[in-house]
Amino acid sequence: EVQLVESGGGLVQPGRSLKLSCAASGFTFSNYYMAWVRQAPKKGLEWVATISTSGSRTYYPDSVKGRFTISRDNAKSSLYLQMNSLKSEDTATYYCARQGYPLDYWGQGVMVTVSS
Amino acid sequence: DIVMTQTPSSQAVSAGEKVTMSCKSSQSLLYSENKKNYLAWYQQKPGQSPKLLISWASTRESGVPDRFIGSGSGTDFTLTISSVQAEDLAVYYCEQYYDTPLTFGSGTKLEIK
Repeated sequence: EVQLVESGGGLVQPGRSLKLSCAASGFTFSNYYMAWVRQAPKKGLEWVATISTSGSRTYYPDSVKGRFTISRDNAKSSLYLQMNSLKSEDTATYYCARQGYPLDYWGQGVMVTVSS
Repeated sequence: DIVMTQTPSSQAVSAGEKVTMSCKSSQSLLYSENKKNYLAWYQQKPGQSPKLLISWASTRESGVPDRFIGSGSGTDFTLTISSVQAEDLAVYYCEQYYDTPLTFGSGTKLEIK
């Protein structure tokens, strides 16, 4: 059974950093692109980042480019999202997702609140 | 960026009724080389994470009831629920994976009368 479990969320002040983790199991992690998608409270879904199988290619929307970094450790079947220079508009639930054309499995999500 | 427009934003139906919802993209999602439409539908029930229902515009995922039907091609797509059940209460999102940035529609909220 595919499982994706996010961790690392919480309350953080504007301008500070936070790193999210996603532990994957139930599939060969190194064979899949992986992604982060976020959802602001009572809002829709927004893609945040994608990483290739080896980690050599990464993709971001303009809204987070230069502030967020996606990475992975295939030996640990883990996905990460380093978030720097956080803004209030980054407040959201962050989901880890397997990008198997399309996003075929999602984690339960982790809440990030950016507030002073 | 490809803009995805979903209508209606909300819809209330009685159990057993048929419901349709629309998703339009600002450019074609049909890839000429493989004749596939890069369009997915997700269901998000209250308090849960999104669940993939349909990929390639019309391919139901394993375990998805056959009352969920995806159709359309190019820029116009439809999700039909042939006979709505109470457990179908959810927000339904379309998403294009033809190009980055991946983009989602704003969702159609399905309410049961």
